[in-house]
Amino acid sequence: AQSVTQLDSHVSVSEGTPVLLRCNYSSSYSPSLFWYVQHPNKGLQLLLKYTSAATLVKGINGFEAEFKKSETSFHLTKPSAHMSDAAEYFCVVSDDRYSSASKIIFGSGTRLSIRP
Amino acid sequence: DGGITQSPKYLFRKEGQNVTLSCEQNLNHDAMYWYRQDPGQGLRLIYYSQIVNDFQKGDIAEGYSVSREKKESFPLTVTSAQKNPTAFYLCASSASGGPNTQYFGPGTRLTVL
Repeated sequence: AQSVTQLDSHVSVSEGTPVLLRCNYSSSYSPSLFWYVQHPNKGLQLLLKYTSAATLVKGINGFEAEFKKSETSFHLTKPSAHMSDAAEYFCVVSDDRYSSASKIIFGSGTRLSIRP
Repeated sequence: DGGITQSPKYLFRKEGQNVTLSCEQNLNHDAMYWYRQDPGQGLRLIYYSQIVNDFQKGDIAEGYSVSREKKESFPLTVTSAQKNPTAFYLCASSASGGPNTQYFGPGTRLTVL
C-alpha cells in the first residue's frame, strides 16, 4: 500500500537561509514522486517530479529534491529562501503499476513561513 | 493560453440547494479529477474520469455527482446530500491516469450559508 508522510506541518525560516521540507513515502513498487506548491486561495503548481531517472531532481524557483530509496525519502530543499516562497507545499506519491487516479496519494502539506 | 479554468471563484449556497462547479481544460488531456481541500489538510479525491463518458468514484464521492460528456469539461455538482460542503474545490487534468503530472485549476471556494 502506498502512503506519504510530510514530517512537519509548519516550517519557519529566515529569508536567505536554507529550506528543508521533509517527505517520507511508502510504496511497494517503483514510485513516481512529486512536489507541488500552493499559494493562498490558488491551485497547485508543480515544482518538480521524480520518475526513476536521476535521483537529484531540479525544479522551478531554485528548488530541488533528492530521491533516497534506502531512506524512502524525497525531501525538498532550496539553498536560500525568498519571501515569495511562503506557501503550502505538498508531497505526492503515485505507484507506477496503476493507471488509476485513486493511487495518487497527497501528503497533508507543510506550510512554509519566511521571516524577514 | 493553455490551461484549466474553474468557475466561479467563490460560490455561496443555501442549505438544501444543489450547485454545479465548472471545470474546463484546453490541454487536450484525457484524464480529469475533482479534489476537495479542507483547512490544514491535503487533497481528497472526489471523482475522476480517464476518458469521455466514463468516471469513477474517489475516496469521498458521497453527496457529489459528475458528468463527462466532452473531453474538455468535467462539471461537479454538490448535492443537498453532502452534509458538510463548505470547502475549497480543485479540478485537475493529466495526459492520462496514473503517474503523469496533474495540472490544477485555480479552485472554487464554496460556502454554505
